[in-house]
Amino acid sequence: GDSVTQMEGPVTLSEEAFLTINCTYTATGYPSLFWYVQYPGEGLQLLLKATKADDKGSNKGFEATYRKETTSFHLEKGSVQVSDSAVYFCALSGGNQFYFGTGTSLTVIP
Amino acid sequence: NAGVTQTPKFRILKIGQSMTLQCTQDMNHNYMYWYRQDPGMGLKLIYYSVGAGITDKGEVPNGYNVSRSTTEDFPLRLELAAPSQTSVYFCASSRDRFDTEAFFGQGTRLTVV
Repeated sequence: GDSVTQMEGPVTLSEEAFLTINCTYTATGYPSLFWYVQYPGEGLQLLLKATKADDKGSNKGFEATYRKETTSFHLEKGSVQVSDSAVYFCALSGGNQFYFGTGTSLTVIP
Repeated sequence: NAGVTQTPKFRILKIGQSMTLQCTQDMNHNYMYWYRQDPGMGLKLIYYSVGAGITDKGEVPNGYNVSRSTTEDFPLRLELAAPSQTSVYFCASSRDRFDTEAFFGQGTRLTVV
């Protein structure tokens, strides 16, 4: 069945450091891929998405490229800020539902 | 913009009690979902609906029931609450199942004691 595997956390970075959170997926067909972010005490919010192979999703300095050949959708940001501290979820849409990874907690320290 | 609204935000139940978690969306979305989030486990799908009158089980449906009498509302019913149902519950909706995003409510933190 469809599934998403993402990098275990927690991740702690200093401000302005480079961020990568790995995400790989298994799916039948051609799913859309998403990154969601969850701030403390809140629901998940869409960060970015890509709907087909080689698409690059981007938002707020975050980027991820849909790589069909490696079944990956890694999240990157060149320079993280304290305000980026949150839990990040990789997800795919397949069948009649969304499949989520286990989440990666990011803490950015000044 | 209300989006997806869940009530209550917090609730403590005693073992064996029942309750209904309410979820309403005002975006005229066809698809609605209930997830539970446990620490380190990501989100698990409980039930989903593809339109009014149509519901189906997700990965972890035992101990829960749903109904979808209108496009807007998708309540989740817990019968005979058990400690294993202690979790954070999220309702979400999406326009369809393809390349559209899911919109989430703020969650309900439920503790069963």
